[in-house]
Amino acid sequence: GENVEQHPSTLSVQEGDSAVIKCTYSDSASNYFPWYKQELGKRPQLIIDIRSNVGEKKDQRIAVTLNKTAKHFSLHITETQPEDSAVYFCAASIPYNFNKFYFGSGTKLNVKP
Amino acid sequence: KAGVTQTPRYLIKTRGQQVTLSCSPISGHRSVSWYQQTPGQGLQFLFEYFSETQRNKGNFPGRFSGRQFSNSRSEMNVSTLELGDSALYLCASSPGQGIYNEQFFGPGTRLTVL
Repeated sequence: GENVEQHPSTLSVQEGDSAVIKCTYSDSASNYFPWYKQELGKRPQLIIDIRSNVGEKKDQRIAVTLNKTAKHFSLHITETQPEDSAVYFCAASIPYNFNKFYFGSGTKLNVKP
Repeated sequence: KAGVTQTPRYLIKTRGQQVTLSCSPISGHRSVSWYQQTPGQGLQFLFEYFSETQRNKGNFPGRFSGRQFSNSRSEMNVSTLELGDSALYLCASSPGQGIYNEQFFGPGTRLTVL
């Protein structure tokens, strides 16, 4: 089955700096890659997603890039703010595996004021 | 629309007992997925139900089972609890149609096995 690896497990940045979280996947059939943010004690929430027919997607300070050849995708957060502090999860799904998402192990992002 | 709800929010059980967790999806959503979240392990997929049918299953032992009712509400059951079953159990709902389905998560049920 699919295997998603996520790095780093923890990331500490200064407010205003950029943060990058990277994920790799193993199954070339995976075609949908969402990113979730989970604040302490709260439920995961989708922040951005990308489909395999797109190489990059942006939403204000957040962007995701996808390299299908290398089978990796990355989350980029620019101008980080303390409220960006949370655990971020990447995920991958295969079209015929209805709603079966393979999640990375998470990255704890700490933005220092 | 009301969000995904899960009951109970917290549970304490002892080894060997069984437990049933409940999930009510967003109105109109027909797919409910269940995940186990443990520190450092991320979210592990348990199973997914759509219109009362299990469409997908993860790599968990048969002690973990589930079902979905005609109103799309879902329950998850764990029998013969083990210490390692202590985790946050999250359910997520989605419309279920198509292949790009945003998952809307519930707040989770925190299960502690003593």
